Amino acid sequence: SQQGEEDPQALSIQEGENATMNCSYKTSINNLQWYRQNSGRGLVHLILIRSNEREKHSGRLRVTLDTSKKSSSLLITASRAADTASYFCALRGVGNNRKLIWGLGTSLAVNP
Amino acid sequence: DAGITQSPRHKVTETGTPVTLRCHQTENHRYMYWYRQDPGHGLRLIHYSYGVKDTDKGEVSDGYSVSRSKTEDFLLTLESATSSQTSVYFCAISESTGSEETQYFGPGTRLLVL
Repeated sequence: SQQGEEDPQALSIQEGENATMNCSYKTSINNLQWYRQNSGRGLVHLILIRSNEREKHSGRLRVTLDTSKKSSSLLITASRAADTASYFCALRGVGNNRKLIWGLGTSLAVNP
Repeated sequence: DAGITQSPRHKVTETGTPVTLRCHQTENHRYMYWYRQDPGHGLRLIHYSYGVKDTDKGEVSDGYSVSRSKTEDFLLTLESATSSQTSVYFCAISESTGSEETQYFGPGTRLLVL
C-alpha cells in the first residue's frame, strides 16, 4: 500500500506537554503535508514540507522529514486542550499525479 | 471551512435509492474533490474535477458518479445507495500551485444508508 502509516493511532497527554506523532510511507514523494481534523469537522491544512527540506516550523508546530527512512514527524509543543483533534499526514507523489495519499491519522487528546 | 459548503449535512436514506450530495464553493478554485472517510480506511478519493465538465475517477469510484456544470458546484451521486456507502463524505477544493497544492475541506455530509 502507498498509504501513509501513522503512529501512534491514539495519544493522550496533559496540557503543557509535547505531542509527537509519526508518519511513515513507502513511495517517493514531492512533499508531505499535515492536516488537523476536529471532531465533526473537515480537515484543515497545517504545514507542508518539501522532499528537500529536513525541518520546518510554524508556531508551536515542528515537522521533520527523513526521506532516507521515509518518515516524518509532527511535534506540537506546549499542547493545549484546543489541540485535541485527529492529525493526518498526506503525501504528494512525484510527477503529475494530483492525488494526495492519506494516512489513517493519529487521534490526540489533550487533557486539561 | 473557507468558502465551501456541503448539502445536505446529514441524510438518512434507504438501500436502492439515488442520492445526490452537493458541494458549493465561492473561491473560484479549479480543482474539486470528493472523499469518503471511514474508520480504519482514512480518507479515500472517490472522484475529482479539474475544471467544468472535466472529471476523473479516484480509488473508490464504483457506485458513484459526479458532475460539474459550473465552477462553483460539484455534485456526487450515488446511483443506487447501498449500506456500504454509509460514510462521511467530504468535499475539498484547491487552487493549483503545482506540487505544493494544498486542499481546503468542507464540513462534511454524514450519510446513513439503511
